[in-house]
Amino acid sequence: GAVVSQHPSRVICKSGTSVKIECRSLDFQATTMFWYRQFPKQSLMLMATSNEGSKATYEQGVEKDKFLINHASLTLSTLTVTSAHPEDSSFYICSASPSGTSGANEQFFGPGTRLTVL
Amino acid sequence: GQNIDQPTEMTATEGAIVQINCTYQTSGFNGLFWYQQHAGEAPTFLSYNVLDGLEEKGRFSSFLSRSKGYSYLLLKELQMKDSASYLCAVKDSNYQLIWGAGTKLIIKP
Repeated sequence: GAVVSQHPSRVICKSGTSVKIECRSLDFQATTMFWYRQFPKQSLMLMATSNEGSKATYEQGVEKDKFLINHASLTLSTLTVTSAHPEDSSFYICSASPSGTSGANEQFFGPGTRLTVL
Repeated sequence: GQNIDQPTEMTATEGAIVQINCTYQTSGFNGLFWYQQHAGEAPTFLSYNVLDGLEEKGRFSSFLSRSKGYSYLLLKELQMKDSASYLCAVKDSNYQLIWGAGTKLIIKP
């Protein structure tokens, strides 16, 4: 089956620093990847849709200058949380759908990255 | 606006059957998904319905009625490991996934 990896799985950083999270599709190509954030006991919140070779599409209320997304290849998307603050502490999850398939196919999720900002 | 409703929490007994309902109001419909999410982990895919009817996959079944904007996930022969949150999600006319808040299922011995 399709596998999506994320790195790191867990990160603790100081307030004001930047953190980069990588999302890779290991055995398929993904034109589109999605970044979600999930706070404790809440549902997934889509942050942005990452498109290979073009700018990401951000959801309303998500600051594009704070959450930098780069989708440089068909198997890699990165999310950089710039100048992180304690309120950015959350569970960040990426997902991807295989390229060339209809929009009806399921998304495959990475294992998530637990970010804690001190 | 777009909305997906599912119960916040349900409790069931090991070995029993439980049905988790999901109702949706979205701009367009391109399929409904059920995902399972254990605490601290990412969601894993359970089922996909795009046509009306029942899809069975082992102990799990999912039903869809597009005219009613309604789906349910049926879990049979419950096991303790089934304790998790179950997320209902609908793809709208733009093929964007709209997520429900999830139903936390607690299994008791």
